Order: sequence, then structure tokens, then C-alpha cells
Amino acid sequence: DAKTTQPPSMDCAEGRAANLPCNHSTISGNEYVYWYRQIHSQGPQYIIHGLKNNETNEMASLIITEDRKSSTLILPHATLRDTAVYYCIVRVLQGSARQLTFGSGTQLTVLP
Amino acid sequence: KAGVTQTPRYLIKTRGQQVTLSCSPISGHRSVSWYQQTPGQGLQFLFEYFSETQRNKGNFPGRFSGRQFSNSRSEMNVSTLELGDSALYLCASSLGWRADTQYFGPGTRLTVL
Repeated sequence: DAKTTQPPSMDCAEGRAANLPCNHSTISGNEYVYWYRQIHSQGPQYIIHGLKNNETNEMASLIITEDRKSSTLILPHATLRDTAVYYCIVRVLQGSARQLTFGSGTQLTVLP
Repeated sequence: KAGVTQTPRYLIKTRGQQVTLSCSPISGHRSVSWYQQTPGQGLQFLFEYFSETQRNKGNFPGRFSGRQFSNSRSEMNVSTLELGDSALYLCASSLGWRADTQYFGPGTRLTVL
């Protein structure tokens, strides 16, 4: 079962920052926060992941609260090609439960 | 470096038939996971293979099976196809059992008539 809560949909204006929230209040100490996105009918694309500290890469930034119960994915300058379903996932890296468990995600629509 | 490849990309079968899907992981990756995606159930984990051994299995009937070869390529098989097996089947690879990020292929779209 998914252990994250995300809003079902969000809109963002092109060129503006898109901030996608995720609640994971029952996260365990050994669980990482992962973000993937899926453009219609394509395979999910890895975006970023983190454990405690904020992370940044060429695609996005991940802000994790100090208590680790929630996080925000930030796309700094959204483009039309960022329109996709964004999935926030918590997972362990070792052991029998290391698979990705996808929830419903957030449908982000970037508007021109 | 080439990404995860899956073949075929599209497949149409009839009820009762069986199907085999193939996945070639990213070069150097030794772990392969399979997922099923349907509009009703979303993305669901099928199984994971590492070093030719199934390490983890999701909640699917025995009609769904898989295997991994010594070159890390993987196949999954679905026997006695049902209409509800129509789905996008996704393969994901990662470096190894202790590694982290899974990278997905484009998927195989299976339609059962």
C-alpha cells in the first residue's frame, strides 16, 4: 500500500516554479523519499531522491522537512514538457520490501 | 549509455494464450524489476530478480512468472491470458541488490482480446 499522500492535480504557469507537496507522516528512519514522473503512456522517469537533507540536481530540488514527515519537489522553471503525473514514493533500499510502491500521484499541468 | 529496452513494444493476444515479454537492463545493472500498470489499479510490483534469482514477489497469481539470465536480461511470462491482463508492463533496472535508483524502460503495451 502507498504510504504517501499527494494532491490529485495541480496547475502551474510556464516559466514559474512548480512546487509539488507530499505527505509521508509514517516514514521510517531507513526509508528514502523518491520522486518519479510519468508522461502519458511512457515509463516512469526518475527525478530525485533523498533521506534527510535537501537535494538538488539538474532536473529539480527536493526539500524534506526536519521531521521527515513531508517533502516538496520543486521544478524551478516549469515548461510544457513537464506536464506529467508526479509520484512521491518512500522505500527502503535493502530487504524484501525494496520495491517501489506507487500511489495515485499528482497530475501537474503546465499552462502556456 | 543506452537505457532499459523492452520488446516488443506492443502486443495483441487472445484469451487463453500465453505471452513472453523481454527486458534488457542498462549495461552493468544486475537487478531487474517488473511492474504492471492498469488504469484501475495503477502501477503494481510484480517481481524482482538479481543474479538470476527471484528476490521479491508481488501479489499476483502464479500465471505470472519471470526469469533472469546470466547476462542480466530478463523475461516475464503470462500464461492463460485473461482480459484483465491488458496493461502496460514496465521493466526497471538498478545496479544491484544494495543499490538504489530504478530506471524504467518504455514498457510493453499488452492488449488481450
